[in-house]
Amino acid sequence: RKEVEQDPGPFNVPEGATVAFNCTYSNSASQSFFWYRQDCRKEPKLLMSVYSSGNEDGRFTAQLNRASQYISLLIRDSKLSDSATYLCVVNIGTGGFKTIFGAGTRLFVKA
Amino acid sequence: GAGVSQTPSNKVTEKGKYVELRCDPISGHTALYWYRQSLGQGPEFLIYFQGTGAADDSGLPNDRFFAVRPEGSVSTLKIQRTERGDSAVYLCASSLTGSRLTDTQYFGPGTRLTVL
Repeated sequence: RKEVEQDPGPFNVPEGATVAFNCTYSNSASQSFFWYRQDCRKEPKLLMSVYSSGNEDGRFTAQLNRASQYISLLIRDSKLSDSATYLCVVNIGTGGFKTIFGAGTRLFVKA
Repeated sequence: GAGVSQTPSNKVTEKGKYVELRCDPISGHTALYWYRQSLGQGPEFLIYFQGTGAADDSGLPNDRFFAVRPEGSVSTLKIQRTERGDSAVYLCASSLTGSRLTDTQYFGPGTRLTVL
């Protein structure tokens, strides 16, 4: 079993739609969580951190469920520019930690 | 300000050759990470430096891979006796401290390595 698992998609949605991605992690020593965005042939860029209380940044909302060991990302009012691969990222350990990336979920937003 | 830079952007080599990939992190960032990303996969952790020392090299696949960061800034990933399976994009990232769980990692554009 992979340490971080995501549905690879692709998710094909129309502009304006709401779309949600889930990510599960297996290591209970996981300490911090992030969503990164990666455009085709580009480097990953931080989209948002994920906190237990949940957090929102504009059209994006991230949630963490430690009991069930999953995190989610909700995108409201999808834009064409949201088309990308969304990577779930988990840091395991404390102090010097190891970063594990999921394989990513591909999103295509169409007009 | 300047982000993370990596050179070369593309490297084509023949099986069995030696290659060096360079990463120049954001100035002042003490933590530096190397990842490898294959098509359709997320980045795979290779090694993490805190200052000059490798704090965690458990992701290096075998002893053909080695990385250094002699002065705590620029890092070089070295691959000996390259194999076709080493073909991937090698990503470097840096973060301010590396010891805080919420540290953001900033990625460079990567080096696309092709082993023929």
